Amino acid sequence: KAGVTQTPRYLIKTRGQQVTLSCSPISGHRSVSWYQQTPGQGLQFLFEYFSETQRNKGNFPGRFSGRQFSNSRSEMNVSTLELGDSALYLCASSLLSGRAPDTQYFGPGTRLTVL
Amino acid sequence: DAKTTQPTSMDCAEGRAANLPCNHSTISGNEYVYWYRQIHSQGPQYIIHGLKNNETNEMASLIITEDRKSSTLILPHATLRDTAVYYCIVRVIGNTGKLIFGQGTTLQVKP
Repeated sequence: KAGVTQTPRYLIKTRGQQVTLSCSPISGHRSVSWYQQTPGQGLQFLFEYFSETQRNKGNFPGRFSGRQFSNSRSEMNVSTLELGDSALYLCASSLLSGRAPDTQYFGPGTRLTVL
Repeated sequence: DAKTTQPTSMDCAEGRAANLPCNHSTISGNEYVYWYRQIHSQGPQYIIHGLKNNETNEMASLIITEDRKSSTLILPHATLRDTAVYYCIVRVIGNTGKLIFGQGTTLQVKP
């Protein structure tokens, strides 16, 4: 079974631009979560989608948004990029079966650099 | 979700057991203990989880104290490839997959 895939793996943008990152979950997984990882703040939860609906949202400004498609693939978008948005963006998928272990499987991440 | 406390860093000699502690003194009865690790700049990898009994799999063992206020992840024979940041997370299994990561423990396995 293929793992979680994220595209692109690396991205360089300039301040003020916008960016869209993509995540394809493991086949059959309907829950997709996004995380931002920076050296200063560590791993922080951005949002979670399940069956095309946002279930949870972290404490990030409205410039960060996401969506999920009917095939469970998800995208996140960051508008008006700031230097502080430079980070590793990670996607995780799970069955969300409600039963242990309900493991979250992470993708390799997208490294975003904002210049 | 309960907050966890882990040492910032630990060293371990290659071939020896690595014992990584985690304190979760405010854990609730329906919260599980999960361990993930992250090798430099890769996505976190699930290791093991438990509720109240000790657990073992091909990667590690998890020892949870009887009062459930702390746990220890044991890597029985650490190798250089086990050098990573190890995260202890407590969460309820339910209708969300959200994970709250702390700062984790950086384990350095030395030859």
